[in-house]
Amino acid sequence: AQSVTQPDIHITVSEGASLELRCNYSYGATPYLFWYVQSPGQGLQLLLKYFSGDTLVQGIKGFEAEFKRSQSSFNLRKPSVHWSDAAEYFCAVGGGDTGRRALTFGSGTRLQVQP
Amino acid sequence: DAGVIQSPRHEVTEMGQEVTLRCKPISGHDYLFWYRQTMMRGLELLIYFNNNVPIDDSGMPEDRFSAKMPNASFSTLKIQPSEPRDSAVYFCASSHRGRRETQYFGPGTRLLVL
Repeated sequence: AQSVTQPDIHITVSEGASLELRCNYSYGATPYLFWYVQSPGQGLQLLLKYFSGDTLVQGIKGFEAEFKRSQSSFNLRKPSVHWSDAAEYFCAVGGGDTGRRALTFGSGTRLQVQP
Repeated sequence: DAGVIQSPRHEVTEMGQEVTLRCKPISGHDYLFWYRQTMMRGLELLIYFNNNVPIDDSGMPEDRFSAKMPNASFSTLKIQPSEPRDSAVYFCASSHRGRRETQYFGPGTRLLVL
């Protein structure tokens, strides 16, 4: 069965600092990988996705993520964090060769941004 | 496009009452998903439909939960009778066919069962 691990429950960074959120997955086939962001009281917004090809993918709001098959990881990065990035971030896996449509989510990482 | 629409946004009810959550997917999408988010279990799939047909309902907690999709533009998730442990945020998401589909989420319904 597939699973997603986000080892950091809570991260605090200073505004302007770089950010890396970790995500490790377990999947029996070539995975499709996603990062979503959830602001308080809001739904989930897609930041970026990986299906195949270039292992470095660019998303919205200046985020990027790198797929590393050897490490089963899909870490999210941003070179300079803005106060508006404070939110909860979810990594998810799904689809791929198995045809499974539903997503399996990690437990989320809550990002706090200090001024 | 209006995106995925869910109603109500907030629901407060008493234990034992029937609760109905509603979802309108994005037009043209043929997959519809219901997820539940709680502090203890995070985001978990309840059920999903393809072309209005339930495909996987293995996440539905028990018989008190039921979901229907009578047409391509409307789905309901019903809880009867409701219990305090059903308190959660319920999300609906939709996607277009194709292996590389991306799921788009609604704003969620925050349910509190007293």
